[in-house]
Amino acid sequence: GENVEQHPSTLSVQEGDSAVIKCTYSDSASNYFPWYKQELGKGPQLIIDIRSNVGEKKDQRIAVTLNKTAKHFSLHITETQPEDSAVYFCAEGQAGTALIFGKGTTLSVSS
Amino acid sequence: DAGVIQSPRHEVTEMGQEVTLRCKPISGHNSLFWYRQTMMRGLELLIYFNNNVPIDDSGMPEDRFSAKMPNASFSTLKIQPSEPRDSAVYFCASSSSTETQYFGPGTRLLVL
Repeated sequence: GENVEQHPSTLSVQEGDSAVIKCTYSDSASNYFPWYKQELGKGPQLIIDIRSNVGEKKDQRIAVTLNKTAKHFSLHITETQPEDSAVYFCAEGQAGTALIFGKGTTLSVSS
Repeated sequence: DAGVIQSPRHEVTEMGQEVTLRCKPISGHNSLFWYRQTMMRGLELLIYFNNNVPIDDSGMPEDRFSAKMPNASFSTLKIQPSEPRDSAVYFCASSSSTETQYFGPGTRLLVL
């Protein structure tokens, strides 16, 4: 069945460094790839998403890249700050169906 | 907008008891999703509805779990009887015609 593999499971960086999280998926029909941030005790919150008709999307310090041929997509956070510390989930899906989530990456940013 | 509303936020119950979780989606959204989150299994889809109709319930663990959506503004997830292995955080999410899903704050369930 469809699945999403997410790496790494944990990531520790120094404040100001960049962080990269990568996901691979198996369903070639997927055309929607969101990233969620989950802080302790809260529900996942959408931070950025990308659709299959584009290869890259940026929003301030956050960017996502998509390679549909290789079936992988990545989240890039630049100039990390302590408040970026959280669990990040990638997901994949298509219109009219539910999302499939990766297992999550725990990001720790130390000052 | 108040976002997705879930109640209760925390539930502690004893094995064998019935548990009912509630969700109010964002107004105007026509899809509603129930997820379960555990350390071992991550975020798992249990069931989702489009226009109040269940579309995919293949993630519902067993007959002890049931979900309803009687109208566009309310859904319930019921566990009867509950077991300790049902302990998890249960999330409700909703979306409109786009794929973007918005999550509620979750219900933390502990079954003793």
